[in-house]
Amino acid sequence: AQSVSQHNHHVILSEAASLELGCNYSYGGTVNLFWYVQYPGQHLQLLLKYFSGDPLVKGIKGFEAEFIKSKFSFNLRKPSVQWSDTAEYFCAVIPKAAGNKLTFGGGTRVLVKP
Amino acid sequence: GAVVSQHPSWVICKSGTSVKIECRSLDFQATTMFWYRQFPKQSLMLMATSNEGSKATYEQGVEKDKFLINHASLTLSTLTVTSAHPEDSSFYICSARPQDNEKLFFGSGTQLSVL
Repeated sequence: AQSVSQHNHHVILSEAASLELGCNYSYGGTVNLFWYVQYPGQHLQLLLKYFSGDPLVKGIKGFEAEFIKSKFSFNLRKPSVQWSDTAEYFCAVIPKAAGNKLTFGGGTRVLVKP
Repeated sequence: GAVVSQHPSWVICKSGTSVKIECRSLDFQATTMFWYRQFPKQSLMLMATSNEGSKATYEQGVEKDKFLINHASLTLSTLTVTSAHPEDSSFYICSARPQDNEKLFFGSGTQLSVL
């Protein structure tokens, strides 16, 4: 079955460390890509999205993601994390071939130690 | 892992009819469920937060009488689109949060097409 995979389920790192979260999908053709974040006790917020154009996407709060079509990947990065980045991060994909259906990855829990 | 089942996955209805979408947590109890809507080429929009045994909390701009939410048990929340119109055609997705865990689990979504 076609899917969205986030390989890291849990990530623990210290403040100022760099963060990279993997996201791979198995859909061919055109895709729209998203990263969402859920802070403790809150609902989902959009970090960034890619529809077309520059494959390096800048988002809010210093996050960026790079779309590599040949690798079917859309990894999320932040050069220097803060304690407030502790949250769960979800990658999501809309494959054009599947119409408007949005599919989420399983999420990655990130804990930033002060 | 936890599973959230959402039905139906695809529904086509005539304008003026009502459509009910179910969201079930299959192996955990969820005191809180969320309903989202997604417009083409846009990100998710939170419609409402559904709390078991109490009234749902709707986001600004979402019509309460149009989108009826019922969370009658710890494993089931329903969204009823009343008197659906073509502009209600969209992708609706639910998510659920286990009682003692902050992690969100998503349903597979429902594509609603109103003719």
